[in-house]
Amino acid sequence: DTAVSQTPKYLVTQMGNDKSIKCEQNLGHDTMYWYKQDSKKFLKIMFSYNNKELIINETVPNRFSPKSPDKAHLNLHINSLELGDSAVYFCASSQVGGVNTGELFFGEGSRLTVL
Amino acid sequence: QQQVKQSPQSLIVQKGGIPIINCAYENTAFDYFPWYQQFPGKGPALLIAIRPDVSEKKEGRFTISFNKSAKQFSLHIMDSQPGDSATYFCAASKGTGFQKLVFGTGTRLLVSP
Repeated sequence: DTAVSQTPKYLVTQMGNDKSIKCEQNLGHDTMYWYKQDSKKFLKIMFSYNNKELIINETVPNRFSPKSPDKAHLNLHINSLELGDSAVYFCASSQVGGVNTGELFFGEGSRLTVL
Repeated sequence: QQQVKQSPQSLIVQKGGIPIINCAYENTAFDYFPWYQQFPGKGPALLIAIRPDVSEKKEGRFTISFNKSAKQFSLHIMDSQPGDSATYFCAASKGTGFQKLVFGTGTRLLVSP
């Protein structure tokens, strides 16, 4: 049973469209993240939610809007897609409260291609 | 601003060799230094991590060496195997709380048979 699952795995769309990526974790963690990995493999944090509250919001265009309906789910909605949004988006989770090992558990990524 | 610098960008070793990947950080407030391993088409996975109160940590064939005064840390892979071929990322953060990990740029390792 996959610990952190993302859908879709691949997404190809036109510039200007709006798209969403969904993430679910079954590890019981209290914190979830979105990371972006560009074509050079560079990983950069975008957002983090702890128990449904936004706690990390890096300098990301406001076309990107995360939503956490509960602590097991974190979705990413992107409006007005641009060519530069093409990347692999990784969802991750960790346990901050209680037993905290500092380990991030990543999903397998969602590859977004904007044409 | 790249707060964690990683080198080399790519590395090829023969099976049994000892690849070494180096990282240097700038922020002296960092106190948690993990290494993540990423296979093609997969997400990164934690390999090993160290805190600055020790100079070395070993787990199986993987060893982190840490030099606090130089603000550098490195990953050594003993008796490397073709299955170790992957991209390796060093990272750093302040504490292990809300993981605002700053990642290095990654090293693509190829272990030839």
